[in-house]
Amino acid sequence: NAGVMQNPRHLVRRRGQEARLRCSPMKGHSHVYWYRQLPEEGLKFMVYLQKENIIDESGMPKERFSAEFPKEGPSILRIQQVVRGDSAAYFCASSPRQGRNYGYTFGSGTRLTVV
Amino acid sequence: SQQGEEDPQALSIQEGENATMNCSYKTSINNLQWYRQNSGRGLVHLILIRSNEREKHSGRLRVTLDTSKKSSSLLITASRAADTASYFCATEITGTASKLTFGTGTRLQVTL
Repeated sequence: NAGVMQNPRHLVRRRGQEARLRCSPMKGHSHVYWYRQLPEEGLKFMVYLQKENIIDESGMPKERFSAEFPKEGPSILRIQQVVRGDSAAYFCASSPRQGRNYGYTFGSGTRLTVV
Repeated sequence: SQQGEEDPQALSIQEGENATMNCSYKTSINNLQWYRQNSGRGLVHLILIRSNEREKHSGRLRVTLDTSKKSSSLLITASRAADTASYFCATEITGTASKLTFGTGTRLQVTL
């Protein structure tokens, strides 16, 4: 039973390009969360999704960022027209149900570098 | 300051010693969780303590929660070099439904 799978592990993009980060939750988990971590900082919540629904996107920048979790396939975090400030580690977590009083399983992250 | 602040920011101890990390938070919570992160890796869930619990154990880990002081501590007993990592507390705030708020972490270095 594989854990949360994220790819790519490392992604380099030039300013203005698009970045697409993928997350496959653990088998049986239908809730996905995206977090961003800047160097030497804790994780910051971005968005919470269930299959085909965005439940909470209060941590996601209003522009250039979008997320989806289709009925089939992985969850995708998309960053359009990347800027240097988008350079960070992006982590995905999943849980089997709404996470109250359950721990979360995190992926190994995608490290985005914008040059 | 943000919800979930760890203290100290960095801790260096020798193998065999105990390591204690503290976490303070500001608002009412459903639960508090501790995670470990090795350098350049993802987070590993260590332990979850619910708001109606005061103490929890898991192997060499002991977590306490004082909701009146809005604080928690993580104790690692008989530390090992492999415990070297960053440790984060994360709170699930009441009413936010499944959104964790992380602190900035404690970097633990265990030397031989």
